[in-house]
Amino acid sequence: GQQLNQSPQSMFIQEGEDVSMNCTSSSIFNTWLWYKQDPGEGPVLLIALYKAGELTSNGRLTAQFGITRKDSFLNISASIPSDVGIYFCAGQQFNTDKLIFGTGTRLQVFP
Amino acid sequence: DTAVSQTPKYLVTQMGNDKSIKCEQNLGHDTMYWYKQDSKKFLKIMFSYNNKELIINETVPNRFSPKSPDKAHLNLHINSLELGDSAVYFCASSQRQGSLSHIQYFGAGTRLSVL
Repeated sequence: GQQLNQSPQSMFIQEGEDVSMNCTSSSIFNTWLWYKQDPGEGPVLLIALYKAGELTSNGRLTAQFGITRKDSFLNISASIPSDVGIYFCAGQQFNTDKLIFGTGTRLQVFP
Repeated sequence: DTAVSQTPKYLVTQMGNDKSIKCEQNLGHDTMYWYKQDSKKFLKIMFSYNNKELIINETVPNRFSPKSPDKAHLNLHINSLELGDSAVYFCASSQRQGSLSHIQYFGAGTRLSVL
């Protein structure tokens, strides 16, 4: 099945550092979403993007919808220990309810 | 109150058994989903129902049968469980705006282990 490629696969960073991760696809998407999954929990929505080029922030998180509509990135500034988890991008194509999820980026933050 | 709740949280069973997982949402949404997350954490859609009507049915063995008694509930019944069915199953819900749903809210997952 279709899947979005996320990179990096995993990151080990020091508390206070900035983090950047991205998501790419060979197909165009109309909507990009970023989710975070904590251990033993379901994914929780962080940011939703609806227009090509759109840049949206949610606290220390900033995400952008790529101009080509085939990619998106997520930045986390000044990371803290509770940022630990798996971050998923998800894309939705025109005229479908289906979300295609990325392969995930596992983030570890060391104090 | 939990928005999307699944039961049970853990399910351990023998190969060949039949089991069900239940999902309920109290968000007033009209669309519900089942996802499977494998050991590598890949999340893949299995089914989706809108107002009790099946709208997404991915290539899933017909041992898996979703049932939506009303728009707040979507249950998943699995017959003749196999080792490869071991995974975490997530229920999600969303509300259609126009012809599309996008912001999906997930339950906490059901970890199924088939021995």
